[in-house]
Amino acid sequence: AQSVTQLGSHVSVSEGALVLLRCNYSSSVPPYLFWYVQYPNQGLQLLLKYTSAATLVKGINGFEAEFKKSETSFHLTKPSAHMSDAAEYFCAVSDLTNGGSQGNLIFGKGTKLSVKP
Amino acid sequence: GAVVSQHPSWVICKSGTSVKIECRSLDFQATTMFWYRQFPKQSLMLMATSNEGSKATYEQGVEKDKFLINHASLTLSTLTVTSAHPEDSSFYICSARILGKGTEAFFGQGTRLTVV
Repeated sequence: AQSVTQLGSHVSVSEGALVLLRCNYSSSVPPYLFWYVQYPNQGLQLLLKYTSAATLVKGINGFEAEFKKSETSFHLTKPSAHMSDAAEYFCAVSDLTNGGSQGNLIFGKGTKLSVKP
Repeated sequence: GAVVSQHPSWVICKSGTSVKIECRSLDFQATTMFWYRQFPKQSLMLMATSNEGSKATYEQGVEKDKFLINHASLTLSTLTVTSAHPEDSSFYICSARILGKGTEAFFGQGTRLTVV
């Protein structure tokens, strides 16, 4: 069974500071990993995804994440936080190797990012 | 990019009534659509997976007679909450995958359901 653990339900940083949101996964097969952002009362927007190509993945809005198999991690980072980055962030894992027909996402509990001026 | 439109964005209904939520893929064909439920300050929980033209697959603990899912075409899936109760109040989100491109799911903007 697959699972995702996001350490820290709430992270607060100052504007301009480094953003680090942690995600660890558990999967018996090579995983596909995703980071999504959710603004209040809205759906999810894909930030980036790892699908077994390059381990360092660059996404939108200056975010990037590095897949580390040895650590079973896929932490999300951004060098300099902006006020507009304040939102809820979800890490997710998908198993598309099982015939590829489903691939539903399993989400972590989410991390709320606050950015202080 | 691919767009998934979910309607309505919010709805208030009386206990005992039914509510239908639509999820449309606007510029692509979606083989599979997923319905999620999100409680306040919590993650998304998969309710069911629907494939066009076949019955939906429900997750354990989800009442299929209460949450009716219809996926009549490659661009439309509907979730009907039947005989709604206050405990059904939640944020419901759909997502869809593009036919032939399996890795990414595109999400609707969600529907806030309040049952009074």
